[in-house]
Amino acid sequence: GAGVSQSPRYKVAKRGQDVALRCDPISGHVSLFWYQQALGQGPEFLTYFQNEAQLDKSGLPSDRFFAERPEGSVSTLKIQRTQQEDSAVYLCASSLGLATQDTQYFGPGTRLTVL
Amino acid sequence: LAKTTQPISMDSYEGQEVNITCSHNNIATNDYITWYQQFPSQGPRFIIQGYKTKVTNEVASLFIPADRKSSTLSLPRVSLSDTAVYYCLVGGYNTNAGKSTFGDGTTLTVKP
Repeated sequence: GAGVSQSPRYKVAKRGQDVALRCDPISGHVSLFWYQQALGQGPEFLTYFQNEAQLDKSGLPSDRFFAERPEGSVSTLKIQRTQQEDSAVYLCASSLGLATQDTQYFGPGTRLTVL
Repeated sequence: LAKTTQPISMDSYEGQEVNITCSHNNIATNDYITWYQQFPSQGPRFIIQGYKTKVTNEVASLFIPADRKSSTLSLPRVSLSDTAVYYCLVGGYNTNAGKSTFGDGTTLTVKP
């Protein structure tokens, strides 16, 4: 079956531009996570959705980062006025239920490069 | 925080058994231990999850001692395709001990 998909796979932005990263979770998955992964490091939690409700956004590094999941399926991570330190791979993961220790299924990520 | 400590890297040869140990001294009562595998340019992939003693599936075994302050992922008879980064994750993202993190993982290199 279809897994988690993310688009675009690669994004190059000039400093100061706004970007939008899309995540299509596995159909029917209730929980959705966004992570940021810097080169050579593990994924760092950004935000968590349960259906359309954003229950935790404590990992978002600044108010330039915004995420939404308006209909409880597709999610978008938006970064405004991108900075060079935003360069990273942005991973989306979904899980079937509400339990926070359910298996997470990850997408391939979007590699963002800010020049 | 539910911090974990793993070796940064390990080398092995094809056909050998590989054991990767993760320390998690402040694991909470309700926390499960989950291992993920990540290849370059891909997202992490679930390998195995356990709470105590031993869990085995078709690809790996997970050994957890009684005090649960550590866990060992065992990969039997590794092949070149097992070269990847392996992450130990304790609890869910909002474990009672704080937000769970993936840490920096263990880079396993399997040589011919």
